[in-house]
Amino acid sequence: EDQVTQSPEALRLQEGESSSLNCSYTVSGLRGLFWYRQDPGKGPEFLFTLYSAGEEKEKERLKATLTKKESFLHITAPKPEDSATYLCAVVTSGTYKYIFGTGTRLKVLA
Amino acid sequence: ETGVTQTPRHLVMGMTNKKSLKCEQHLGHNAMYWYKQSAKKPLELMFVYSLEERVENNSVPSRFSPECPNSSHLFLHLHTLQPEDSALYLCASSQDPSGPRIFGPGTRLTVL
Repeated sequence: EDQVTQSPEALRLQEGESSSLNCSYTVSGLRGLFWYRQDPGKGPEFLFTLYSAGEEKEKERLKATLTKKESFLHITAPKPEDSATYLCAVVTSGTYKYIFGTGTRLKVLA
Repeated sequence: ETGVTQTPRHLVMGMTNKKSLKCEQHLGHNAMYWYKQSAKKPLELMFVYSLEERVENNSVPSRFSPECPNSSHLFLHLHTLQPEDSALYLCASSQDPSGPRIFGPGTRLTVL
């Protein structure tokens, strides 16, 4: 069964304390993996798409990486404004099948 | 207004009511999506439209009826809903149906 699992469920960091969020997946074939950020009361905001193992994307303090089994979202020297829920989703190859994880709630303390 | 817009932002309805959610994008995207977001659960894909044709229907109950009259507009018609249908309904768009890129702010639906 196709599945996406994100960990940890919640994470509290001090400002400047770098860490990583994990998205592991089990799918029949991967077309792409997406990362989004969602603030309370808002729709998700697209961050990255990764298509193949070894690919990396960066945006400000965020860096996403992809292997054949999982993706990591690395947050370097986070700031309080990075507090949000980070969502991972995969799109399977063949028929379009989109699967979201339950997200990681990140809280960065000043 | 740029991006993806959704109206209404909040909706309270009884189980016997009929209502519609509206989504609009002027980004030139060809694919549009409806998602349901419930507390503690992953986003659930409901429908995907590409060039006004439905390309995905994730076994959604018939009390939810989508309509895509053109590539800029998407509707979700609601009738005889259940309290468990209360959730945040999100619309999204993308250039092609490879995955949602831009989400709207959502409609918070409460079914009494």
